[in-house]
Amino acid sequence: DIQMTQSPSSLSASVGDRVTITCRASQNISIYLNWYQQKVGKAPKVLIYAATILQSGVPSRFSGSGSGTDFTLTINSLQPGDFATYFCQQDYNSPKTFGLGTKVDIK
Amino acid sequence: QVQLQESGPGLVKPSQTLSLTCTVSGGSISSGGYYWSWIRQHPGKGLEWIGYLSYTGNTYYNPSLKSRLSISVGTSGNQFSLRLNSVTAADTAMYYCARERIDRSGSYFFFDYWGQGTLVTVSS
Repeated sequence: DIQMTQSPSSLSASVGDRVTITCRASQNISIYLNWYQQKVGKAPKVLIYAATILQSGVPSRFSGSGSGTDFTLTINSLQPGDFATYFCQQDYNSPKTFGLGTKVDIK
Repeated sequence: QVQLQESGPGLVKPSQTLSLTCTVSGGSISSGGYYWSWIRQHPGKGLEWIGYLSYTGNTYYNPSLKSRLSISVGTSGNQFSLRLNSVTAADTAMYYCARERIDRSGSYFFFDYWGQGTLVTVSS
């Protein structure tokens, strides 16, 4: 199975901050990488797919970059509704696997 | 708007079978290009993909669960079901059903609709 390693596991930030979360795959996954946001008690919501493509309806302050094994999710100007846990997921091959998540909370 | 809703027992005894159903509204599970998945999340942990039922009726399972797992079309309406045999405490988790779709380029898949999840506890 492809292992997805996220860092950091948690971070504290303030409204307006720029936040960067990284995800590393255990092998080359090209750009088959998705990012999800999960709020407490809710199902995950897709933010970005194919490493860089913003899902319809997702604010443009979210962006993704990377290819191969190293990927980044950036949130520009963090908003109150962005405090959540973020997961990466590879869709290069099955079984599809997820990172353990990065929890973003209020500083 | 597509909606998914999980249903089933919240408590299962060890060694018994966990059975869940996902009811889909706003879209047909036989519509081309979609894959209907089960995903679980252990308490305080990350997400684990369990398997899917494709729009053609094919299935694909996570090898770690394959020997105990069955995903099939539901018995009524626009539904699909999960059966996991011989459960242990390690199967205690929040279980989600989700739709996986392919993007317009035809190359990239992602989960675009999820149910709210149902907590299943394995305990005697």
